[in-house]
Amino acid sequence: SYELTQPPSVSVSPGQTASITCSGDKLGNKYACWYQQKPGQSPVLVIYQDTKRPSGIPERFSGSNSGNTATLTISGAQAMDEADYYCQAWDNTTVVFGGGTKLTVL
Amino acid sequence: EVQLVESGGGLVQPGGSLRLSCAASGFTFSSYWMHWVRQAPGKGLVWVSRINSDGSSTRYADSVKGRFTISRENAKNTLYLQMNSLRAEDTAVYYCARDLGDSSGYYLDYWGQGTLVTVSS
Repeated sequence: SYELTQPPSVSVSPGQTASITCSGDKLGNKYACWYQQKPGQSPVLVIYQDTKRPSGIPERFSGSNSGNTATLTISGAQAMDEADYYCQAWDNTTVVFGGGTKLTVL
Repeated sequence: EVQLVESGGGLVQPGGSLRLSCAASGFTFSSYWMHWVRQAPGKGLVWVSRINSDGSSTRYADSVKGRFTISRENAKNTLYLQMNSLRAEDTAVYYCARDLGDSSGYYLDYWGQGTLVTVSS
């Protein structure tokens, strides 16, 4: 079955740029998306179709996908961005999530 | 405003059954594919199942295939997940989620608050 791999944790200083990676076999040939989940809350879609932002998502969130790696970039990270982030793609009509990355802003 | 409200979770013994419901409002439910996703305590998101807009096509994760059944009642704006032969490893918060409907793939743009299912004796 298809697998997506994320680093367990990423740290960033406030105002700096955070990059969270998601690796999978030929992931660049698929579309990826990203979810943000804060403690005790439901996930929120922040990036879809590799680079698109849903309405209401700040411009500091951006995405890219090439080769075997999709990347979520948060430019000028803020304390409110501290959360778990999950990448997601699909394979053979089934949805696959990455294991999640805890972003710490400190 | 789009709202998804899950219900039906609770404590069930191993081997037991439970049916989850997800009441949808604020959008034309019959036009959207829907998904169930679960999250074990302290763990990551795991996709469970999806159903197309008229209920004629379904897909399942291997871990639940043959035990869980997804269905929908468009006249009642409700999504269901029938869970049979439950195991301890099915313990999780179960979320229903709406599919964005983009032709490029599956993206879950609205999520419910989740309902906790605990499988234990």
